[in-house]
Amino acid sequence: NAGVTQTPKFQVLKTGQSMTLQCAQDMNHEYMSWYRQDPGMGLRLIHYSVGAGITDQGEVPNGYNVSRSTTEDFPLRLLSAAPSQTSVYFCASRGRPATNEKLFFGSGTQLSVL
Amino acid sequence: DAKTTQPNSMESNEEEPVHLPCNHSTISGTDYIHWYRQLPSQGPEYVIHGLTSNVNNRMASLAIAEDRKSSTLILHRATLRDAAVYYCILRDRGNQGGKLIFGQGTELSVKP
Repeated sequence: NAGVTQTPKFQVLKTGQSMTLQCAQDMNHEYMSWYRQDPGMGLRLIHYSVGAGITDQGEVPNGYNVSRSTTEDFPLRLLSAAPSQTSVYFCASRGRPATNEKLFFGSGTQLSVL
Repeated sequence: DAKTTQPNSMESNEEEPVHLPCNHSTISGTDYIHWYRQLPSQGPEYVIHGLTSNVNNRMASLAIAEDRKSSTLILHRATLRDAAVYYCILRDRGNQGGKLIFGQGTELSVKP
């Protein structure tokens, strides 16, 4: 298993550009989530999903959209990038709650918005 | 979401035990206690979790107070590779979408 795969690893955007951060998992996990981590800070939850077709907001959802059309994929869309969105983004997934509590993280996408 | 309180930083010597404390005085009866760690320039990785009883795995032990208002992550013999930020998090097991909200964590440094 590849686990949780994030692409790209690095990205530079100009203010106002849009882009999609990709996240895929091959563990048939129901739960997927996106976090951002600013320098020297902890992780903050952006959006999460408990299954295909179901998404919900986390702590800092503004400026980001998500969708979950398949179990495997959970893309994060930046509609109009702003310098405040410069951060490292982590995708994570988990199996069915209570029986599988372990959250698996991807290696991250480092995004710079100029 | 119930919150946790951890010291900002701790130091340890290599090959000595490390006890990382976490306070969660507002914990509910359905909250799991999770620990994750984040090595430099990497994503977080799962360490251990528990509900009421103490737990052991190959990485660490988790000691949970009888009233569940605090817990301690125990690394039995710290190595240089254990230098990381350690996060203590509560997750509501009664909620399918129970989120993991990360706080600031404890930055552990290990001296040779």
